[in-house]
Amino acid sequence: SYVVTQPPSVSATPGKTASISCEGNNIENKAVHWYQQKPGQAPVLVIFYDSDRPSGIPDRFSGSNSGNTATLTISRVEVGDEADYYCQVWDSYTDHWVFGGGTSLTVL
Amino acid sequence: EVQLVESGGGLVQPGGSLRLSCLGSGFTFSNYAMHWVRQAPGKGLEWVSSISGRTGSTYYAGSVKGRFTLSRDNSKDTLFLQMDSLRADDTAVYYCAKASRSEPMVQADYWGQGILVTVSS
Repeated sequence: SYVVTQPPSVSATPGKTASISCEGNNIENKAVHWYQQKPGQAPVLVIFYDSDRPSGIPDRFSGSNSGNTATLTISRVEVGDEADYYCQVWDSYTDHWVFGGGTSLTVL
Repeated sequence: EVQLVESGGGLVQPGGSLRLSCLGSGFTFSNYAMHWVRQAPGKGLEWVSSISGRTGSTYYAGSVKGRFTLSRDNSKDTLFLQMDSLRADDTAVYYCAKASRSEPMVQADYWGQGILVTVSS
């Protein structure tokens, strides 16, 4: 089955840029979606189809997908961006959703 | 406003059964695929099952296949997850999520607040 791998943690300084990777075999051929989850809350969609943003999500959030790596980039990071971030794809061979293990973003 | 409200969670003994429900509102329920995603305490998100909007086709994670049954009642805007032969490792918060289209392979654009299922003797 398809596997996507994320780093367990990423840290960033307020006002700087944070990048979270999601690695998978030829992931560029898949649509990658990203969810933000704050403690005690349900996940929220922040990026879909690699780089599209739902309404209400700040344009500080952006995404890209090339080769074996998809990336969520958060510009001008704020303390309020501290959360767990998950990438998700559809594995068309097994007809399964697949989540990455999640990345905890710490804003120091 | 789209809302998803889960119910039916609680404490159940190993080997027991539980049925979760998810009531949708603020959208035409029958037009969208729906999902269940769970999160064990302190762990990441795990996809459980999906059902398409138009055809009602169902999809299951290997960890629940044969034990869980997903269904929907479009006349009542409600999604159901029948969970049988429950095990301790099924303990998790279960989230209901709405897909952005009738097919399940797309992103989930709305999530419920989740409901806790605890499997313990």
